[in-house]
Amino acid sequence: GESVGLHLPTLSVQEGDNSIINCAYSNSASDYFIWYKQESGKGPQFIIDIRSNMDKRQGQRVTVLLNKTVKHLSLQIAATQPGDSAVYFCAEKESGGYNKLIFGAGTRLAVHP
Amino acid sequence: GAGVSQSPSNKVTEKGKDVELRCDPISGHTALYWYRQRLGQGLEFLIYFQGNSAPDKSGLPSDRFSAERTGESVSTLTIQRTQQEDSAVYLCASSLSAGGTYEQYFGPGTRLTVT
Repeated sequence: GESVGLHLPTLSVQEGDNSIINCAYSNSASDYFIWYKQESGKGPQFIIDIRSNMDKRQGQRVTVLLNKTVKHLSLQIAATQPGDSAVYFCAEKESGGYNKLIFGAGTRLAVHP
Repeated sequence: GAGVSQSPSNKVTEKGKDVELRCDPISGHTALYWYRQRLGQGLEFLIYFQGNSAPDKSGLPSDRFSAERTGESVSTLTIQRTQQEDSAVYLCASSLSAGGTYEQYFGPGTRLTVT
């Protein structure tokens, strides 16, 4: 079935530490995955994406890892900053068809000084 | 350039009233999507448009919900006879096309509160 969130889990980290946010996706037919960041009162903002033919992709301070065997996605943020505090969502798109995204439940990242 | 805009930003309405939520996509984006986000939860797909057509309305929760798009631009989401469970943030996104994996750009949302 489609993933719809429950109450948000929270990850608390110290400023400067690395953060790892995990996501389990539901559809083995999904071939494209995205991480979004949502700050309070704003719409989600694209961070990084990865296609199913890759297992790792790096951006600026962020890395996404994909494990298709166990249908698991993770977002790593290096040297976490207070501005990284937000809710992070993973989204998946099924192979073929149109650009319909199914969003995960979300994880709240709280960065403490 | 201008991003996706939505209006109103906040709407408080009484149970049983109808509401209209508006979305202005990025100019030139042919695809437009509506999502609902309940407090503390993820985004729930409602409907998408490619041009002025809505090929997938499967996410609309009931027949009280409808949406239209005109001129391959502005879209309105209408909720008739609102109920308290309709209270949520309604987000709109647009992308260059609904085909492929074009990035979806989100607006700030409309927070709907049904009293």
